[in-house]
Amino acid sequence: AQSVSQHNHHVILSEAASLELGCNYSYGGTVNLFWYVQYPGQHLQLLLKYFSGDPLVKGIKGFEAEFIKSKFSFNLRKPSVQWSDTAEYFCAVNPNQAGTALIFGKGTTLSVSS
Amino acid sequence: DVKVTQSSRYLVKRTGEKVFLECVQDMDHENMFWYRQDPGLGLRLIYFSYDVKMKEKGDIPEGYSVSREKKERFSLILESASTNQTSMYLCASSLNTPKGGAWKKLFFGSGTQLSVL
Repeated sequence: AQSVSQHNHHVILSEAASLELGCNYSYGGTVNLFWYVQYPGQHLQLLLKYFSGDPLVKGIKGFEAEFIKSKFSFNLRKPSVQWSDTAEYFCAVNPNQAGTALIFGKGTTLSVSS
Repeated sequence: DVKVTQSSRYLVKRTGEKVFLECVQDMDHENMFWYRQDPGLGLRLIYFSYDVKMKEKGDIPEGYSVSREKKERFSLILESASTNQTSMYLCASSLNTPKGGAWKKLFFGSGTQLSVL
């Protein structure tokens, strides 16, 4: 069965520090990849997605992620975090075939201190 | 904007009760999903549906069933609630792409926090 691993359960950073959250998946075929974010008390919302093409994708609020097929990875990055980035971040994977659903990682809580 | 509405924000039920969680979306999405979210476990897929009257088991279907009689509505049923089903339940919906397979982004409801006592 496919699975998604997020390496860090809780990351604590100061404002302006750089961020990288790891995500690895286990599935040998073509996949679609997503990062979702959940701010305190809010809905899950999409940060960015990768379907095909340029493996470096840019999302909202200055986030980007790089798909490295050989490493089965889709790490999320941001050069300089802000206090408002405090949230829980979920990586998700979906095989590119009909009748399948999104599988989420366990999430990484990011706490940014001002 | 797409709206995914879950009927209750908070629900308290007793062990053994039959529980219905309702979800309605207003954008004619083909796909609907039920997840549960637990601290440290992320989101786990319970069931999903890619068409009316169609359903597929997710990773943790035990103790749950679903119903999709109309395209806009996807119900999650706990036949006999147990304390280990205390959780946040999230409904989501999405479109199919024209070529099928590649899911567009999920739109989530606000969630139902269910407590089973």
